[in-house]
Amino acid sequence: QVQLQESGPGLMKLSETLSLTCTVSGGSLSNYHWSWIRQSPGRGLEWIGYIYSNGRTNYNPSLKSRVTISVDTSKNQFSLKLSSVTAADTAVYYCAREMVAVGSPFDSWGRGILVTVSS
Amino acid sequence: SSVLTQPPSVSVAPGKTATITCGRSDIGDKSVHWYQQRPGQAPVVVMYYDTDRPSGIPERFSGSKSANTATLTISRVEAGDEADYYCQVWDSGVGGVFGGGTKLTVL
Repeated sequence: QVQLQESGPGLMKLSETLSLTCTVSGGSLSNYHWSWIRQSPGRGLEWIGYIYSNGRTNYNPSLKSRVTISVDTSKNQFSLKLSSVTAADTAVYYCAREMVAVGSPFDSWGRGILVTVSS
Repeated sequence: SSVLTQPPSVSVAPGKTATITCGRSDIGDKSVHWYQQRPGQAPVVVMYYDTDRPSGIPERFSGSKSANTATLTISRVEAGDEADYYCQVWDSGVGGVFGGGTKLTVL
């Protein structure tokens, strides 16, 4: 059974760059898209973007200018960077897995990590 | 528009049937997935590709879809079904899109 675990700082200041890592255990990164999804009280669940094991990415257009997702297959990890954070970026950030097939669901999720942006 | 419209809340008595809808004019052309999220936990998929139930999800959960509305039906509702439920599709050029969520309250 694959398991995902998010890690990174829980508190950030305005204009900093958020950096989170998702460690995948119990399975390979191959043959899946690996996504970041966030949830804030005012905006519900919001898909941020995904990466494939070969490094191909797809980002939410609303966040694309600030988002970078990268992968490290040697460590079975993928990472999120979100630049110039504001209070609106305060959210629980989840990493999740999706099969590489058109319209697939997110079938495994991490437990989530709360990131708070303060001044 | 990419917005998936869900009712903010649905209330149902134990043993009755809960119906949660997800609306959009083109949803009939999409694969719809449903997630259950209990307080403090990550979402869990309870229905995928409109009507398929993952292993471990009770048969009380079922899905259906028309041209503009997808529906998650929970029969014989139990206290443990109380949670937030989200629908989700993939939109070309946009990516993953979630509904606003429905809070299911078991009276």
